[in-house]
Amino acid sequence: QKEVEQNSGPLSVPEGAIASLNCTYSDRGSQSFFWYRQYSGKSPELIMFIYSNGDKEDGRFTAQLNKASQYVSLLIRDSQPSDSATYLCAVNQYGNKLVFGAGTILRVKS
Amino acid sequence: EAQVTQNPRYLITVTGKKLTVTCSQNMNHEYMSWYRQDPGLGLRQIYYSMNVEVTDKGDVPEGYKVSRKEKRNFPLILESPSPNQTSLYFCASSSTSGRRADTQYFGPGTRLTVL
Repeated sequence: QKEVEQNSGPLSVPEGAIASLNCTYSDRGSQSFFWYRQYSGKSPELIMFIYSNGDKEDGRFTAQLNKASQYVSLLIRDSQPSDSATYLCAVNQYGNKLVFGAGTILRVKS
Repeated sequence: EAQVTQNPRYLITVTGKKLTVTCSQNMNHEYMSWYRQDPGLGLRQIYYSMNVEVTDKGDVPEGYKVSRKEKRNFPLILESPSPNQTSLYFCASSSTSGRRADTQYFGPGTRLTVL
């Protein structure tokens, strides 16, 4: 079992729709959770981080964390073609170590 | 501007020819890390460093070396590169204290091809 699992996609949504990206993790002791966006051939850039159960909103992005079920999700409202990228879920297990999922490809069609 | 830099950005080399990929950060971060990214496998940690002269293996350290003689620099060394080390490499750094201590910032990446 992989430590951090994501559906590889591609997830295709029409412009203006809500994109929902999911991630599950295996280590119950994980403390913090991150979503990175990565355009093809570029470096990952941080979109959101979340530490507590519940929802955290930042503009069009909402991160949701459920530690009991060991999943974290990212919702993108009013999806734009510029949101088309690979979204990486990362989980902090201990210290500063991040474990990454393989990523979900999102395609927003105009 | 706060940033992580890597050099070179692109490198094509041959099997067995030693190479070094440099990484430098200007954010005074204690923690630095090297990852490789391969299709379908995501980012995998090679080595990390908690501070000067403190380094440790990540998940895929075989064939790599690192050193941390200065806080800002964390070079990745391939003593005898092999074709299975063809990959996209990222350096990242983060603080070890404060509210967002574990947020990692990534360099632009180095695309390495070993023939």
